[in-house]
Amino acid sequence: AQSVTQLDSHVSVSEGTPVLLRCNYSSSYSPSLFWYVQHPNKGLQLLLKYTSAATLVKGINGFEAEFKKSETSFHLTKPSAHMSDAAEYFCVVSEVTGRRALTFGSGTRLQVQP
Amino acid sequence: SQTIHQWPATLVQPVGSPLSLECTVEGTSNPNLYWYRQAAGRGLQLLFYSVGIGQISSEVPQNLSASRPQDRQFILSSKKLLLSDSGFYLCAWRDQGTSLRTQYFGPGTRLTVL
Repeated sequence: AQSVTQLDSHVSVSEGTPVLLRCNYSSSYSPSLFWYVQHPNKGLQLLLKYTSAATLVKGINGFEAEFKKSETSFHLTKPSAHMSDAAEYFCVVSEVTGRRALTFGSGTRLQVQP
Repeated sequence: SQTIHQWPATLVQPVGSPLSLECTVEGTSNPNLYWYRQAAGRGLQLLFYSVGIGQISSEVPQNLSASRPQDRQFILSSKKLLLSDSGFYLCAWRDQGTSLRTQYFGPGTRLTVL
């Protein structure tokens, strides 16, 4: 079975400061990991994905995530937060076979203060 | 390029009324299709997935049903809505023909049952 734990339900940063959203995963196999962002009343947008290539993954809007197998982590970072980054962020792991359904973390709400 | 549509965008229905939500995908063939529900303040829960026309798998017992009458059309239905059916419903697709595990989400339907 696979699971995802997002360690913070709410993160608040000031505009221009770094962002760190933490995610730990559990998977029996080599996982595929994703970060999605959801703005209020909108669908989910893919930020970035890890699929066993480079461990440091670059995504859209300046976000990055690093896959660390030894720590079973896939934390999302951004050097400098913008007001438009305020949203809900989901860490997600995908099944390797079969239905390839996604297992979502509970989400982290990012608040950006002016 | 591929696009995914959902409608309606918002819906307010009385308890006991029927439901039909539609999802269509353009620009791809024979995709895997998924219905998720996001209840207020919670993560996403997989409701149904489909690997082909007429092939539906249900993930959780409930009073909802799904159908796939055409390759790129996925419908979520209910004969009688419950208050607990309120939530944000997201449709997603995945390319079945590759090993890629990325799912792409539609804009969602906000359902309120009164």
